[in-house]
Amino acid sequence: AQTVTQSQPEMSVQEAETVTLSCTYDTSENNYYLFWYKQPPSRQMILVIRQEAYKQQNATENRFSVNFQKAAKSFSLKISDSQLGDTAMYFCAFMAYQGGSEKLVFGKGTKLTVNP
Amino acid sequence: GAVVSQHPSRVICKSGTSVKIECRSLDFQATTMFWYRQFPKQSLMLMATSNEGSKATYEQGVEKDKFLINHASLTLSTLTVTSAHPEDSSFYICSARSGSGGSYEQYFGPGTRLTVT
Repeated sequence: AQTVTQSQPEMSVQEAETVTLSCTYDTSENNYYLFWYKQPPSRQMILVIRQEAYKQQNATENRFSVNFQKAAKSFSLKISDSQLGDTAMYFCAFMAYQGGSEKLVFGKGTKLTVNP
Repeated sequence: GAVVSQHPSRVICKSGTSVKIECRSLDFQATTMFWYRQFPKQSLMLMATSNEGSKATYEQGVEKDKFLINHASLTLSTLTVTSAHPEDSSFYICSARSGSGGSYEQYFGPGTRLTVT
C-alpha cells in the first residue's frame, strides 16, 4: 500500500518570503503521479501543482515549484514570494496509475500561515 | 471548466434519519466519482469510488449499507447517509474524473458539512 508522509504539521512564513513544504512517499509502483493540493478556510480543494513520475523535470506553476527526487521518494513544494492568500492547509497526494481505477492517497497535511 | 458542485453545502439532521448529498459535474462527463470524508483538522479519507452504471467500490472499514452511493448518470452521484448518528457528523467531499483522453485529474466539489443532532 502506498503511504504519504508530511512531517511538518504547521509552518509559518513572512509575506514575500519563500517556504518549502516537505513530502515523502512510499510505493513499489513505477508509474504514478504526485500532487499538491491547497485547502483554504473555505474547504474547497484546489490543485496547486502536479508531477508525473516519468518526467525528470520538476513541475513549476508561477510561484509554486516542486523538487521531485524519485530515488529518494521525495516531493517538496516551494512557494516563492509568499502571499497572504497562500494561507491554507496543503496536502501532498499520490496516485498510482492503475488503468482506470486510480485513487488519491493523501498525506496528513501541513497548515501554512503567511504572516503580514 | 471542470466544475463540480455539491448540494447541500450544509445540512443538519436528527439522529436516525437519512440524508442525501448530491455531487454534480457541471461541464464534463464524470465516468468516475469519489467520495471522501474529512474530520476537523484531518486529511481526506476515501470512502468509496463509483463508476457510472455500476456498484460503488467501498474502502475497507466503510459500511456500504450505511453510506449508499448511486452513480446513475455521467454527471450525478449521490451519497445517502442512512440512519445517521452523531458520529457521522463530518465534512463530506466528492471529486469527479472524466476519464477521457487518459485524463487522471480529479476535480473536487466544495464539500458538504453534515451535522447530526
